[in-house]
Amino acid sequence: VQLVDSGGGSVQPGGSLRLSCAASGFTFSTYWMSWVRQAPGKGLEWVANIKQDGSEKYYVDSVKGRFTISRDNAENSLFLQMNSLRDEDTATYFCARDLKQIGFDSWGQGTLVTVSS
Amino acid sequence: DIQMTQSPSTLSASVGDRVTITCRATQTISIWLAWYQHKPGKAPKRLIFKASNLESGVPSRFSGSGSGTEFTLTISSLQPDDFATYYCQQCDTYPLTFGGGTKVEMK
Repeated sequence: VQLVDSGGGSVQPGGSLRLSCAASGFTFSTYWMSWVRQAPGKGLEWVANIKQDGSEKYYVDSVKGRFTISRDNAENSLFLQMNSLRDEDTATYFCARDLKQIGFDSWGQGTLVTVSS
Repeated sequence: DIQMTQSPSTLSASVGDRVTITCRATQTISIWLAWYQHKPGKAPKRLIFKASNLESGVPSRFSGSGSGTEFTLTISSLQPDDFATYYCQQCDTYPLTFGGGTKVEMK
């Protein structure tokens, strides 16, 4: 199993960024997937997840209406579209294979998002 | 939201020590709890799932216990590779939530 996160960078408050996660080594289309973030010096925070076929999506309240999780099963890819970014969204973002009630068993290496003017 | 509280937040220990980390949930989550080890610049690693099930490949010195609202992670004999931050996570209810973390540092 391999997950490779990309797309991070620096952006001004109010800006947008799209993160990607390339999956390999497993049948991507059969798993829920999640995004988890870690702000500098802080703990882990779950951000969003998406069902195998994209029909169900869940978000932490702080990103609802601003972030959109999506996936392309044909390309074995997971995405996080982040709009209206705020300073507090500054974090390293990890994609993770989500086994629902038994947690996240595989993680990407993370991609850093910095929101600053 | 279910709040997860870990204690202690920092733990100073020596190689060979027995280490116990506690995680409490603000409401019952049955056995739907996972533990992770996280080192700086690395991906988090799942150690335990369903409160007490050891992840494949994880050394047997790691163990988890508990149910309902109170859980523990125990390292029976701390090894040099175990100095890291440990997080619990409830997998029961949205939003999924993590504890604040326990940093295990060298005494």
